Amino acid sequence: SQQGEEDPQALSIQEGENATMNCSYKTSINNLQWYRQNSGRGLVHLILIRSNEREKHSGRLRVTLDTSKKSSSLLITASRAADTASYFCATAFIGGSNYKLTFGKGTLLTVNP
Amino acid sequence: DGGITQSPKYLFRKEGQNVTLSCEQNLNHDAMYWYRQDPGQGLRLIYYSQIVNDFQKGDIAEGYSVSREKKESFPLTVTSAQKNPTAFYLCASRPTGITGELFFGEGSRLTVL
Repeated sequence: SQQGEEDPQALSIQEGENATMNCSYKTSINNLQWYRQNSGRGLVHLILIRSNEREKHSGRLRVTLDTSKKSSSLLITASRAADTASYFCATAFIGGSNYKLTFGKGTLLTVNP
Repeated sequence: DGGITQSPKYLFRKEGQNVTLSCEQNLNHDAMYWYRQDPGQGLRLIYYSQIVNDFQKGDIAEGYSVSREKKESFPLTVTSAQKNPTAFYLCASRPTGITGELFFGEGSRLTVL
């Protein structure tokens, strides 16, 4: 399985601090994506980084990708209580005409006011 | 508004019964996916469909069945052969030809009594 593994499993920080979550995977990928899930809800896409990219920014989000180490990190700067959620990395693989995303187990982020 | 609608949101079933979860999208997306999520776990791929009248098994297809007779609809049947059906089920879609993000519904929570 090429399932990504997030680290840490849970992270608790104070509002205003930065939060960093890591993801490791096992096989070659087409792209890597990060999603957010509020409790009991569906997932929302945050950011996508392609295998030939090393860093990408979107608002308060910064994603890095190191394909040699098969790892990625998601940085959320100046966190807010509303950022409290589970965050998942997903690795995208193309086999023939099939496009599949494989998700990790997620990091539960709690931002304390 | 465009989006993905899953129904019902909550469903209770007795052991030995089949149940069908609905997933409808009006995004004009070609590809659709079903994932299962267990507490504290990531998402595991059940089935996916790249185009109407075609679908492929994911990583945990045993005990499940799907159909894709219309572009807008991708229903999932949880059969009595599924040993541990209690879970949160998520449907997603993606425009074909773009190796991009998935758009998720709000999920259906199935509980077997």
